[in-house]
Amino acid sequence: DVKVTQSSRYLVKRTGEKVFLECVQDMDHENMFWYRQDPGLGLRLIYFSYDVKMKEKGDIPEGYSVSREKKERFSLILESASTNQTSMYLCASSISSSEKFYGYTFGSGTRLTVV
Amino acid sequence: AQSVTQLGSHVSVSEGALVLLRCNYSSSVPPYLFWYVQYPNQGLQLLLKYTTGATLVKGINGFEAEFKKSETSFHLTKPSAHMSDAAEYFCAVSPNDYKLSFGAGTTVTVRA
Repeated sequence: DVKVTQSSRYLVKRTGEKVFLECVQDMDHENMFWYRQDPGLGLRLIYFSYDVKMKEKGDIPEGYSVSREKKERFSLILESASTNQTSMYLCASSISSSEKFYGYTFGSGTRLTVV
Repeated sequence: AQSVTQLGSHVSVSEGALVLLRCNYSSSVPPYLFWYVQYPNQGLQLLLKYTTGATLVKGINGFEAEFKKSETSFHLTKPSAHMSDAAEYFCAVSPNDYKLSFGAGTTVTVRA
């Protein structure tokens, strides 16, 4: 089974800190995604990547950046954390072949609290 | 951009009763369709998917969904609810570009 591992389950950070959320997948998937999940809003796409060193903005990229130096790792960076970035962050990966696309495999999530 | 509408943010059913979760989408091309389930403090787990072929799709834990192109719907059902079905359920759509758009989610509670 594909595993998507997020480095932290819970994080508490202070306003203004630079925050790194790490995500690693072990099945050679080309595509990786970062979502945030908030009650009543579902999942909203922050950034995604179709290949190493490639990144594209999702629906809500403001205040975030990403890094994909290796195929298996996709990092989400909060340049200067703010309280409105308190949320559950979900990483996901998928294969890019249309014949084999079966949706995403998700990590367990990181619940970030910014105080 | 895709739009996914899940009717009802909360659904309460009795144990043994039918579970019906509604999902409608907007898409200009035949999409890929998915249902995911999320248990508390966990990531999302794939329940079932429709890509091509038979429009009635069976998934894990006794769930199934039917793709109705004319109604742009992909409703999720389970004939008999179990206490373990209490969770949040998300419908998702991809217009074949490998990027999923999610509905707002429906929380299911099961009454004993």
